[in-house]
Amino acid sequence: EVQLLESGGGLVQPGGSLRLSCAASGFTFSNYAMNWVRQAPGKGLEWVSIISGSGADAYYADFVKGRFTISRDNSKNTLYLQMYSLRADDTAVYYCAKDPVERNVVVVVTPAGADSWGQGTLVTVSS
Amino acid sequence: NFMLTQPHSVSESPGKTVTISCTRSGGSIASNYVQWYQLRPGSSPTTVIFEDNVRPSGVPDRFSGSIDTSSNSASLTISGLQTEDEADYYCQSYDGSNQGVFGGGTKLTVL
Repeated sequence: EVQLLESGGGLVQPGGSLRLSCAASGFTFSNYAMNWVRQAPGKGLEWVSIISGSGADAYYADFVKGRFTISRDNSKNTLYLQMYSLRADDTAVYYCAKDPVERNVVVVVTPAGADSWGQGTLVTVSS
Repeated sequence: NFMLTQPHSVSESPGKTVTISCTRSGGSIASNYVQWYQLRPGSSPTTVIFEDNVRPSGVPDRFSGSIDTSSNSASLTISGLQTEDEADYYCQSYDGSNQGVFGGGTKLTVL
């Protein structure tokens, strides 16, 4: 059974940093691209970033470029999101989500969204 | 980049069929796969359709997805509506630069 467990959320001041983690199990982690998706309070879903199975290729939403970095440690089956220069509008529940298709490739190829999601971790940016 | 536009809300009676549309503005709907997610209050999203029309295991065949290049839109159809289907539904796709885009979400009410 696929399991994704996020951690690392919390309260941080504007301009601060935070690192989110997503521990994965139940599948060959390195063979799947992974996404981060967020939902601000009372708002819809918002795509944040995607990383290839190898970790060599990554893409970001324009609103986080230069502030967030996605990475993964395939030896630990863990996905990360390092967030810098946090703003109030980054306040959201952050979900990690697994791409549905197993692709043993270095780069992101024809991403297909997600078929499994974690429970989410809440990030609150406030003074 | 592009936008995905969904109706804010739809409603239908139990046992009936409802279709939720997702129209792409900018680029072809067929350029990148479309996914559909169900989101209930207080819960994580669940995937009901990926790669335009593929159901994850465990999703009932009452859920189906399609794309229509003539209207440049994707659709999620739910037949045999059940009260448990009441939720928000989001379509999602990517652009040619692998940036993801979500639609604004559609609130489905099963009355």
